[in-house]
Amino acid sequence: DTAVSQTPKYLVTQMGNDKSIKCEQNLGHDTMYWYKQDSKKFLKIMFSYNNKELIINETVPNRFSPKSPDKAHLNLHINSLELGDSAVYFCASSQPLSREQYFGPGTRLTVT
Amino acid sequence: QKEVEQNSGPLSVPEGAIASLNCTYSDRDSQSFFWYRQYSGKSPELIMFIYSNGDKEDGRFTAQLNKASQYVSLLIRDSQPSDSATYLCALSASGYSTLTFGKGTMLLVSP
Repeated sequence: DTAVSQTPKYLVTQMGNDKSIKCEQNLGHDTMYWYKQDSKKFLKIMFSYNNKELIINETVPNRFSPKSPDKAHLNLHINSLELGDSAVYFCASSQPLSREQYFGPGTRLTVT
Repeated sequence: QKEVEQNSGPLSVPEGAIASLNCTYSDRDSQSFFWYRQYSGKSPELIMFIYSNGDKEDGRFTAQLNKASQYVSLLIRDSQPSDSATYLCALSASGYSTLTFGKGTMLLVSP
């Protein structure tokens, strides 16, 4: 009965590879987000989707492409991975008129 | 550009004491304020939110908001070792805007 789930939990890959992270929420929320938390623990918004439509893109490189097949899922595909992409990526969700966001467990991406 | 400032700590308090965590922000259009708790290696967990000036209490937690001073705080009464974590202050403006987080304050509660 996990509210917001992400897979995989850990991802280790080499520079130049392409990888995807999946997120699903069963809270019935319309809005989903991707955040990046760097090594200094700073949590920063990357994307926001409302009912499958992109509403926020916070100056993220084009190598990052989110996709929302339905309002319960928001996936993140990353092309040509770089060392600087190493971080923990969190998915979150909320109701559209509420800023109370609930986070998934995170995916720790390590690029070598 | 929104900025959220927090003292990185660590803030050390003995068990049973009141822990006071502070946050200042730069954007006067900010309307909603949140405190998240993050244990090491875990995801942020929402513990309090406050939208109006004044105090809001929930169990051992009290959030305080002063929009004129652009200041929000979190008080934790009767601190427990299990409260040891990083506390993230976050805010948003109206509409679909996303959360802007501070860098967090590490709290250490010693038995």
